[in-house]
Amino acid sequence: GESVGLHLPTLSVQEGDNSIINCAYSNSASDYFIWYKQESGKGPQFIIDIRSNMDKRQGQRVTVLLNKTVKHLSLQIAATQPGDSAVYFCAETGANNLFFGTGTRLTVIP
Amino acid sequence: KAGVTQTPRYLIKTRGQQVTLSCSPISGHRSVSWYQQTPGQGLQFLFEYFSETQRNKGNFPGRFSGRQFSNSRSEMNVSTLELGDSALYLCASDSGDSGANVLTFGAGSRLTVL
Repeated sequence: GESVGLHLPTLSVQEGDNSIINCAYSNSASDYFIWYKQESGKGPQFIIDIRSNMDKRQGQRVTVLLNKTVKHLSLQIAATQPGDSAVYFCAETGANNLFFGTGTRLTVIP
Repeated sequence: KAGVTQTPRYLIKTRGQQVTLSCSPISGHRSVSWYQQTPGQGLQFLFEYFSETQRNKGNFPGRFSGRQFSNSRSEMNVSTLELGDSALYLCASDSGDSGANVLTFGAGSRLTVL
């Protein structure tokens, strides 16, 4: 079955530095991946997505990298800001639903 | 455009009771999914409804059920509550059309079972 996991449960970075959050997935048939951000007291919010026919996609200050060979997904946040402090989840598509990883808590140190 | 609305936001129940949670999706969205979120477990898929039909179901016991109305609003019910049912229950909606869709989540209903 599918499983999506994260390498690190917590990550602390200095404000202004770049952050990298990693995710491993096991279902090689997944063709769509999404990163979500969840702040305290809120539901997950969409950050960026990528299809399996791509290996990189950039948004505003965020970049998602997909390595299908090793089934690895990463989220890079440039110039991390205090407002980026949250739990980040990667998710992969299943049949009409998403499978989420357990999340990484990013803490930005001012 | 209003987001996904979940009610109630917080509730406390005791073991053995039952609970009903409500979700109003984004206008025009026909698919509603429910997830359970507990500390350390991430988000676990409960079920998905599309056009009043359950289209997909996760690995939860039969105590967890749901339904969807003709206006796409959805409810989920948990009967015979157990302590382990304490969690944040999240509802998400999308258009439901074929292909990958981005789920838009509500703020959740936090259930505490005593």
